[in-house]
Amino acid sequence: DAGVIQSPRHEVTEMGQEVTLRCKPISGHNSLFWYRQTMMRGLELLIYFNNNVPIDDSGMPEDRFSAKMPNASFSTLKIQPSEPRDSAVYFCASSFMDSNQPQHFGDGTRLSIL
Amino acid sequence: GENVEQHPSTLSVQEGDSAVIKCTYSDSASNYFPWYKQELGKRPQLIIDIRSNVGEKKDQRIAVTLNKTAKHFSLHITETQPEDSAVYFCAAILQPTKGAGNKLTFGGGTRVLVKP
Repeated sequence: DAGVIQSPRHEVTEMGQEVTLRCKPISGHNSLFWYRQTMMRGLELLIYFNNNVPIDDSGMPEDRFSAKMPNASFSTLKIQPSEPRDSAVYFCASSFMDSNQPQHFGDGTRLSIL
Repeated sequence: GENVEQHPSTLSVQEGDSAVIKCTYSDSASNYFPWYKQELGKRPQLIIDIRSNVGEKKDQRIAVTLNKTAKHFSLHITETQPEDSAVYFCAAILQPTKGAGNKLTFGGGTRVLVKP
């Protein structure tokens, strides 16, 4: 089983640039979650989708952040323009939508904004 | 507000001893409680989970207990080994509602160090 696949694994870019993170969920899973992890704030849920529809985006920090899920096998998280405080590890996770199902995480994207 | 509290934030144990991590949650309707282990530089990995219809679950050296009345659940690691060193996160589905999926709220994490 391939698991959740994220790309890129590492991204280093200058502030002001657009950053796009990508995620392919586990085949058959119909819920997808984007998290951000930092030492200061821990693991934060940014947004999640059920059946490709955004359900809760209350964790998205500002309008510079946007996420899409055009189909069941692909999602993007975009930051435009990026700022140094966006530096973090961004994880994508997927699960079956039914309650009581575990989420499985991808390997994450380590983002550094200079 | 709805949250999950996790204690302690750090835990140092001697190899072979037991480690216990405790979490409390705010919503009595919560019904699913997973535990994740995250090694340095890696992704969180599910190690065990428990549903509200049972009070205890074991998997080799790992066990989880759930007290729904008191709204707390705990992770127990017995005969700890150096490879158990990691950050452990508890989580819960708060305010489970039909159609809302399985949004997890995570505790703040416990950094466990097993000293050889």
